[in-house]
Amino acid sequence: AQSVTQLGSHVSVSEGALVLLRCNYSSSVPPYLFWYVQYPNQGLQLLLKYTSAATLVKGINGFEAEFKKSETSFHLTKPSAHMSDAAEYFCAVSETGRRALTFGSGTRLQVQP
Amino acid sequence: DAGVIQSPRHEVTEMGQEVTLRCKPISGHNSLFWYRQTMMRGLELLIYFNNNVPIDDSGMPEDRFSAKMPNASFSTLKIQPSEPRDSAVYFCASSSESTEAFFGQGTRLTVV
Repeated sequence: AQSVTQLGSHVSVSEGALVLLRCNYSSSVPPYLFWYVQYPNQGLQLLLKYTSAATLVKGINGFEAEFKKSETSFHLTKPSAHMSDAAEYFCAVSETGRRALTFGSGTRLQVQP
Repeated sequence: DAGVIQSPRHEVTEMGQEVTLRCKPISGHNSLFWYRQTMMRGLELLIYFNNNVPIDDSGMPEDRFSAKMPNASFSTLKIQPSEPRDSAVYFCASSSESTEAFFGQGTRLTVV
Protein backbone atom coordinates (compact mmCIF):
# COMPACT_ATOMS: atom_id res chain seq x y z
CA ALA A 1 0.00 0.00 0.00
CA GLN A 2 1.12 3.53 -0.63
CA SER A 3 0.43 6.78 1.19
CA VAL A 4 1.48 10.40 1.31
CA THR A 5 1.76 12.72 4.28
CA GLN A 6 1.90 16.46 3.84
CA LEU A 7 3.08 18.30 6.93
CA GLY A 8 1.27 21.57 7.46
CA SER A 9 -2.19 22.17 6.05
CA HIS A 10 -1.46 25.91 5.80
CA VAL A 11 1.82 27.66 5.05
CA SER A 12 2.20 31.43 4.93
CA VAL A 13 5.24 33.20 3.47
CA SER A 14 6.11 36.72 2.49
CA GLU A 15 6.49 37.65 -1.15
CA GLY A 16 10.11 36.98 -2.13
CA ALA A 17 10.69 34.45 0.66
CA LEU A 18 11.58 30.79 0.27
CA VAL A 19 8.70 28.37 -0.18
CA LEU A 20 9.07 24.91 1.39
CA LEU A 21 6.17 22.46 1.29
CA ARG A 22 6.80 19.08 2.88
CA CYS A 23 5.83 15.66 1.59
CA ASN A 24 6.73 12.23 2.90
CA TYR A 25 5.66 9.05 1.18
CA SER A 26 5.27 5.40 1.95
CA SER A 27 5.47 2.85 -0.81
CA SER A 28 6.37 -0.82 -0.95
CA VAL A 29 7.82 -0.44 -4.44
CA PRO A 30 9.84 2.33 -6.12
CA PRO A 31 7.37 5.16 -6.39
CA TYR A 32 6.45 7.74 -8.94
CA LEU A 33 5.96 11.07 -7.13
CA PHE A 34 4.10 14.17 -8.23
CA TRP A 35 3.27 17.66 -7.11
CA TYR A 36 0.04 19.20 -8.37
CA VAL A 37 -1.28 22.72 -7.83
CA GLN A 38 -4.95 23.70 -7.58
CA TYR A 39 -6.12 27.27 -7.97
CA PRO A 40 -9.59 28.20 -6.64
CA ASN A 41 -12.42 26.55 -8.58
CA GLN A 42 -9.97 24.89 -10.93
CA GLY A 43 -8.76 21.40 -11.64
CA LEU A 44 -5.31 20.13 -10.71
CA GLN A 45 -2.29 21.09 -12.76
CA LEU A 46 0.97 19.17 -12.73
CA LEU A 47 3.94 21.10 -11.32
CA LEU A 48 6.53 18.35 -11.57
CA LYS A 49 7.08 14.61 -11.36
CA TYR A 50 9.76 12.16 -10.26
CA THR A 51 10.03 8.93 -12.21
CA SER A 52 13.39 7.51 -11.05
CA ALA A 53 15.60 9.60 -13.31
CA ALA A 54 17.30 12.63 -11.69
CA THR A 55 16.61 13.04 -7.97
CA LEU A 56 16.32 16.82 -8.31
CA VAL A 57 13.32 17.60 -10.44
CA LYS A 58 12.57 21.00 -11.91
CA GLY A 59 9.02 21.96 -12.69
CA ILE A 60 6.98 24.85 -13.93
CA ASN A 61 6.79 28.32 -12.37
CA GLY A 62 10.23 28.01 -10.75
CA PHE A 63 9.35 25.10 -8.48
CA GLU A 64 11.59 22.14 -7.85
CA ALA A 65 11.60 19.06 -5.65
CA GLU A 66 14.24 16.65 -4.45
CA PHE A 67 13.63 12.93 -4.05
CA LYS A 68 15.41 11.61 -0.94
CA LYS A 69 14.98 7.87 -0.62
CA SER A 70 16.72 7.70 2.78
CA GLU A 71 14.20 10.18 4.18
CA THR A 72 11.25 9.00 2.05
CA SER A 73 10.69 12.65 1.24
CA PHE A 74 9.83 14.71 -1.81
CA HIS A 75 9.67 18.30 -0.56
CA LEU A 76 8.66 21.14 -2.90
CA THR A 77 10.66 24.37 -2.92
CA LYS A 78 10.77 27.70 -4.68
CA PRO A 79 13.50 30.25 -3.90
CA SER A 80 11.29 33.33 -4.08
CA ALA A 81 7.52 33.34 -3.61
CA HIS A 82 5.26 35.35 -5.86
CA MET A 83 1.72 36.45 -5.10
CA SER A 84 0.49 34.26 -7.95
CA ASP A 85 1.81 31.15 -6.14
CA ALA A 86 -1.04 31.34 -3.64
CA ALA A 87 -2.95 28.09 -4.16
CA GLU A 88 -3.36 24.60 -2.75
CA TYR A 89 -0.58 22.11 -3.41
CA PHE A 90 -0.95 18.35 -3.44
CA CYS A 91 1.73 15.71 -3.28
CA ALA A 92 0.78 12.39 -4.85
CA VAL A 93 2.28 8.93 -5.30
CA SER A 94 1.66 6.10 -7.70
CA GLU A 95 3.24 2.71 -7.95
CA THR A 96 5.12 1.69 -11.04
CA GLY A 97 2.68 0.23 -13.50
CA ARG A 98 -0.40 1.55 -11.75
CA ARG A 99 -1.21 5.05 -12.81
CA ALA A 100 -3.90 5.86 -10.26
CA LEU A 101 -2.69 8.47 -7.78
CA THR A 102 -2.87 8.53 -4.00
CA PHE A 103 -2.97 12.14 -2.83
CA GLY A 104 -1.85 13.84 0.33
CA SER A 105 -4.24 16.06 2.22
CA GLY A 106 -2.93 19.22 0.59
CA THR A 107 -1.15 22.37 1.78
CA ARG A 108 -2.68 25.78 1.25
CA LEU A 109 0.02 28.34 0.51
CA GLN A 110 -0.62 31.99 1.37
CA VAL A 111 1.73 34.68 0.09
CA GLN A 112 1.74 37.91 2.04
CA PRO A 113 2.69 41.19 0.34
CA ASP B 1 -6.45 19.38 -27.58
CA ALA B 2 -9.08 20.96 -25.36
CA GLY B 3 -8.02 18.89 -22.38
CA VAL B 4 -10.30 16.75 -20.24
CA ILE B 5 -13.85 18.03 -20.52
CA GLN B 6 -16.36 17.54 -17.74
CA SER B 7 -20.01 18.43 -17.69
CA PRO B 8 -21.86 19.94 -16.04
CA ARG B 9 -19.56 22.28 -14.11
CA HIS B 10 -22.16 22.73 -11.40
CA GLU B 11 -25.10 20.56 -10.45
CA VAL B 12 -27.66 21.17 -7.75
CA THR B 13 -30.15 18.40 -7.18
CA GLU B 14 -32.60 17.25 -4.57
CA MET B 15 -31.97 14.26 -2.37
CA GLY B 16 -33.19 11.08 -3.99
CA GLN B 17 -32.69 12.25 -7.55
CA GLU B 18 -30.39 10.58 -10.05
CA VAL B 19 -27.27 12.50 -11.00
CA THR B 20 -25.06 11.81 -14.02
CA LEU B 21 -21.64 13.35 -14.41
CA ARG B 22 -19.90 13.21 -17.77
CA CYS B 23 -16.29 13.16 -18.89
CA LYS B 24 -14.52 13.31 -22.22
CA PRO B 25 -10.86 12.33 -21.85
CA ILE B 26 -7.99 13.64 -23.94
CA SER B 27 -7.86 11.92 -27.30
CA GLY B 28 -5.31 9.09 -27.32
CA HIS B 29 -5.30 8.62 -23.55
CA ASN B 30 -6.13 5.06 -22.52
CA SER B 31 -6.60 5.50 -18.76
CA LEU B 32 -9.42 7.40 -17.13
CA PHE B 33 -9.89 8.21 -13.46
CA TRP B 34 -12.74 9.54 -11.33
CA TYR B 35 -11.78 11.33 -8.11
CA ARG B 36 -13.90 13.00 -5.44
CA GLN B 37 -12.73 15.99 -3.41
CA THR B 38 -14.27 16.93 -0.07
CA MET B 39 -13.05 19.00 2.85
CA MET B 40 -13.23 16.03 5.18
CA ARG B 41 -11.62 13.35 3.04
CA GLY B 42 -9.53 15.29 0.52
CA LEU B 43 -8.98 13.76 -2.92
CA GLU B 44 -10.07 10.15 -3.19
CA LEU B 45 -9.88 7.81 -6.13
CA LEU B 46 -13.31 6.38 -6.90
CA ILE B 47 -12.58 4.23 -9.93
CA TYR B 48 -10.20 3.92 -12.80
CA PHE B 49 -10.44 2.44 -16.27
CA ASN B 50 -7.72 1.18 -18.56
CA ASN B 51 -8.64 0.69 -22.21
CA ASN B 52 -12.31 1.19 -21.24
CA VAL B 53 -12.20 -1.65 -18.69
CA PRO B 54 -12.68 -0.90 -14.97
CA ILE B 55 -9.46 -1.88 -13.19
CA ASP B 56 -10.05 -0.71 -9.65
CA ASP B 57 -13.43 0.34 -8.27
CA SER B 58 -12.58 -0.19 -4.62
CA GLY B 59 -13.05 3.51 -3.94
CA MET B 60 -16.66 3.61 -5.04
CA PRO B 61 -18.51 4.41 -1.83
CA GLU B 62 -21.53 2.14 -2.23
CA ASP B 63 -23.94 0.63 -4.69
CA ARG B 64 -25.56 3.99 -5.31
CA PHE B 65 -22.48 4.90 -7.35
CA SER B 66 -21.79 3.43 -10.77
CA ALA B 67 -19.40 4.34 -13.57
CA LYS B 68 -19.25 3.36 -17.19
CA MET B 69 -16.90 3.87 -20.08
CA PRO B 70 -18.71 2.74 -23.23
CA ASN B 71 -15.93 3.93 -25.51
CA ALA B 72 -12.52 5.57 -25.41
CA SER B 73 -13.93 9.08 -25.60
CA PHE B 74 -16.66 9.10 -22.97
CA SER B 75 -17.32 8.12 -19.38
CA THR B 76 -20.13 8.67 -16.92
CA LEU B 77 -20.40 8.59 -13.15
CA LYS B 78 -23.92 8.06 -11.90
CA ILE B 79 -25.33 8.45 -8.41
CA GLN B 80 -28.77 7.01 -7.80
CA PRO B 81 -30.32 7.95 -5.45
CA SER B 82 -28.26 10.97 -4.44
CA GLU B 83 -27.80 11.99 -0.79
CA PRO B 84 -26.57 15.25 0.80
CA ARG B 85 -23.31 13.53 1.83
CA ASP B 86 -22.51 13.04 -1.86
CA SER B 87 -21.98 16.79 -2.17
CA ALA B 88 -18.41 17.26 -3.38
CA VAL B 89 -16.31 18.22 -6.37
CA TYR B 90 -15.90 15.30 -8.75
CA PHE B 91 -12.86 15.28 -11.00
CA CYS B 92 -12.17 13.23 -14.07
CA ALA B 93 -8.59 12.72 -15.25
CA SER B 94 -6.97 10.88 -18.12
CA SER B 95 -3.49 9.68 -18.95
CA SER B 96 -1.56 7.58 -21.42
CA GLU B 97 1.35 5.16 -21.04
CA SER B 98 3.82 8.02 -21.36
CA THR B 99 2.10 10.92 -19.64
CA GLU B 100 0.98 11.95 -16.22
CA ALA B 101 -2.69 12.44 -15.39
CA PHE B 102 -4.43 15.52 -16.77
CA PHE B 103 -7.43 16.72 -14.81
CA GLY B 104 -10.68 18.28 -15.89
CA GLN B 105 -12.14 21.38 -14.26
CA GLY B 106 -14.39 19.30 -12.06
CA THR B 107 -18.13 19.12 -11.39
CA ARG B 108 -19.33 20.72 -8.18
CA LEU B 109 -22.28 18.66 -6.96
CA THR B 110 -24.64 19.94 -4.32
CA VAL B 111 -27.38 17.65 -3.06
CA VAL B 112 -30.04 19.44 -1.00
